[in-house]
Amino acid sequence: DIQMTQSPSSLFASVGDRVTITCRASQSVRSSFNWYQQRPGGAPKLLIYEATRLQSGVPSRFSGSGSGTDFTLTISSLQREDFATYYCQQSGFLPLTFGGGTKVEI
Amino acid sequence: EVQLVESGGGLVKPGTSLILSCAASGFTFSNAWMNWVRQAPGRGLEWVGRVKSQTAGGTPDYAASVEGRFTISRDDSKNTLYLQIDSLQIEDTAVYFCATDRCVGTTCFDYWGQGALVTVSS
Repeated sequence: DIQMTQSPSSLFASVGDRVTITCRASQSVRSSFNWYQQRPGGAPKLLIYEATRLQSGVPSRFSGSGSGTDFTLTISSLQREDFATYYCQQSGFLPLTFGGGTKVEI
Repeated sequence: EVQLVESGGGLVKPGTSLILSCAASGFTFSNAWMNWVRQAPGRGLEWVGRVKSQTAGGTPDYAASVEGRFTISRDDSKNTLYLQIDSLQIEDTAVYFCATDRCVGTTCFDYWGQGALVTVSS
């Protein structure tokens, strides 16, 4: 199975901060890679697919980069509604696997 | 508007069976590959398995941790996805989400249900 390692596991930030979350795959997944946001008590929501493509309706302050084994999610200016847990996922190989999550806290 | 509504969760005893349902609306269900993802209390996301669309063969794929006890199926006439869990174990306690994969040319989970809580306890 492909292991997905996110860092950090949690971070503290303020409204307006630029936030970067990284994810590393244990082997190359090319661009078969997605990012999700999960607010407390809610379902996950797709933010970025194919490593860099912004899902429809997602604010442009979210962006994704990377390919192969190393990926990054950037929030250019953190808003209050962005305080949540973020998960990466590789979608190139079965079983589909998620990272352990990064909790973004105030 | 895409909607996915899970049902069938609850408190169940170890060793018993359970069927979760996911009722879909707002999109062409028969064309979508459908997934189940679970989340144990306070833990991260774990992919359970999926079923392909009928045009792609309609076959399921499972995570190794659940294969043999979990069965994923779909009824396109009812726009409903199912997850049958046999021989329930304490470790199956989780919120179970259904999710669509309608991403063209790639795999991603573009819509999710609100989840169904399954608690396994004696």
